[in-house]
Amino acid sequence: DSGVTQTPKHLITATGQRVTLRCSPRSGDLSVYWYQQSLDQGLQFLIQYYNGEERAKGNILERFSAQQFPDLHSELNLSSLELGDSALYFCASSVISGGAGELFFGEGSRLTVL
Amino acid sequence: AQTVTQSQPEMSVQEAETVTLSCTYDTSESDYYLFWYKQPPSRQMILVIRQEAYKQQNATENRFSVNFQKAAKSFSLKISDSQLGDAAMYFCALNSGGSNYKLTFGKGTLLTVNP
Repeated sequence: DSGVTQTPKHLITATGQRVTLRCSPRSGDLSVYWYQQSLDQGLQFLIQYYNGEERAKGNILERFSAQQFPDLHSELNLSSLELGDSALYFCASSVISGGAGELFFGEGSRLTVL
Repeated sequence: AQTVTQSQPEMSVQEAETVTLSCTYDTSESDYYLFWYKQPPSRQMILVIRQEAYKQQNATENRFSVNFQKAAKSFSLKISDSQLGDAAMYFCALNSGGSNYKLTFGKGTLLTVNP
């Protein structure tokens, strides 16, 4: 158990809908990262937050948004969902931002868009 | 931009034998970090080993070791005395984002361990 909690573990929804994925980082970790894993794109970095502030942005679509709250949990909002958004969404956390710090991953949220 | 390439989609090894997974990368940064992550069927990504680019000595963690060739931009993972529990997808990853952490992953290598 990495200490990173993601909910829900599985989610099935329809095209055009909006969903929210939630992540609770390990106790004491200030950085939260979101990754998308799909068969064709592999693991793609989406966005990073550090202590409530956006720190880095990757290949995140404009239909997606995220935030980190004062209690350090994070939410990833996916809207106007398309079939291609079906993927495994990982949250990870770390104590520091950058460098050789280890990322601790949650078990992921499997999103299926029908 | 940084890229990571894993040229072996699948590998297999006999239990107790040694296997090497290949990884090449590209970055324009001089300061970066390399990682191998393991993803078993449970889906959770687990750090196997890490290497700081400024260190010439290859990292070792028990049965796992790396061969880091900086000039060739190569970072292979050697698993010795392979165990059934080593069966998983292995991802090579690169972070050259400085204080940011934009890990770039390779496509992965699926390792099968045969009894």
